[in-house]
Amino acid sequence: AAGVIQSPRHLIKEKRETATLKCYPIPRHDTVYWYQQGPGQDPQFLISFYEKMQSDKGSIPDRFSAQQFSDYHSELNMSSLELGDSALYFCASSLGRLAGGGEQFFGPGTRLTVL
Amino acid sequence: DQQVKQNSPSLSVQEGRISILNCDYTNSMFDYFLWYKKYPAEGPTFLISISSIKDKNEDGRFTVFLNKSAKHLSLHIVPSQPGDSAVYFCAARPFSGGYNKLIFGAGTRLAVHP
Repeated sequence: AAGVIQSPRHLIKEKRETATLKCYPIPRHDTVYWYQQGPGQDPQFLISFYEKMQSDKGSIPDRFSAQQFSDYHSELNMSSLELGDSALYFCASSLGRLAGGGEQFFGPGTRLTVL
Repeated sequence: DQQVKQNSPSLSVQEGRISILNCDYTNSMFDYFLWYKKYPAEGPTFLISISSIKDKNEDGRFTVFLNKSAKHLSLHIVPSQPGDSAVYFCAARPFSGGYNKLIFGAGTRLAVHP
């Protein structure tokens, strides 16, 4: 079965550079979520989109922005990168915001390293 | 303030025995609780969930128990298999905020040894 696809899988950037992470949800899923997992930490919710509209917002820095496109894929744009942005970034998708048992299906993540 | 807590960072269990992973939460405004399993270099994989109006949900070798009065849930894996070795995250979905985000615990690393 098709899963959530994230690209790139690994990304190395310098401080103050920009980065764009992409997420392709499971086919027919209309809701996308972004999470950030720092080293040794639990995944922290950043932002979500439902039907191309921002649905919920968590601890996302102002330097980050995201959007969901007409084909339901999503991009997380990160500017003025800081060392502390180094983390694993997960995208998840679900069918509908109130998906049944609450389950979200996660991609393999993008590991961002800021030097 | 950590709303979902997994106080045991690791657990070691012998193959064939029961694994019990615990999770506590600090407020009652969650409508679903979920367990995810995570292998290195992979994203979390959904295992099982439970509605806040239930006290038990079972799926094969996995059973989740919810004790609302104690604000505690547990995941039972029986029998445990070496392939179950992974990090297990407890997560909760809040009523508010558009039902969107999941709040995760810190995870428990399970090692199942022969």
